[in-house]
Amino acid sequence: DAGVTQSPTHLIKTRGQQVTLRCSPKSGHDTVSWYQQALGQGPQFIFQYYEEEERQRGNFPDRFSGHQFPNYSSELNVNALLLGDSALYLCASSLWGDNEKLFFGSGTQLSVL
Amino acid sequence: EDQVTQSPEALRLQEGESSSLNCSYTVSGLRGLFWYRQDPGKGPEFLFTLYSAGEEKEKERLKATLTKKESFLHITAPKPEDSATYLCAVQARGGGFKTIFGAGTRLFVKA
Repeated sequence: DAGVTQSPTHLIKTRGQQVTLRCSPKSGHDTVSWYQQALGQGPQFIFQYYEEEERQRGNFPDRFSGHQFPNYSSELNVNALLLGDSALYLCASSLWGDNEKLFFGSGTQLSVL
Repeated sequence: EDQVTQSPEALRLQEGESSSLNCSYTVSGLRGLFWYRQDPGKGPEFLFTLYSAGEEKEKERLKATLTKKESFLHITAPKPEDSATYLCAVQARGGGFKTIFGAGTRLFVKA
């Protein structure tokens, strides 16, 4: 049973560029949430997708956007990258109606130079 | 504002030396409190959910407890493989399904 998979594992970008991160949820799950984890901090909620719609959003600017596909996979897009966007980006999947227990991928480590 | 504070930031134990990690939370109606374990370079791994004060959950050497303001993760006779960052998180009623995490406690267990 495949768990949550994320790609790429590492990414280096320069300020002002755009980036797309990808996530495939655990088999049987239909809900994807994205989190940003800065070094030494806990994960911070970016947004959640269910039925291809953004259902809830955290305190992140519009530069952060997402998409969910019919097969439940998801993308996180960040435009106009800033140095402060350097972090581990985590994807978590769950079953809508049982959103308490999250299954996380290993994340994408984004470095902005 | 919903908030989670964990202490200590880091904890160093000898193998077999039991201790507790603290999680203080402020939330406008608790839906659930969660404990996760995170190893370096990995995403968090779910451990427990607690819903109401007085509730306890156990898994191997770990035991989580909950009061109206705090949760404790008790580690009994830890082993080196218990070394990890332990994250506490909450979901609030009326807050959708956003999970709010604390900064974590980094646990080091020396053989």
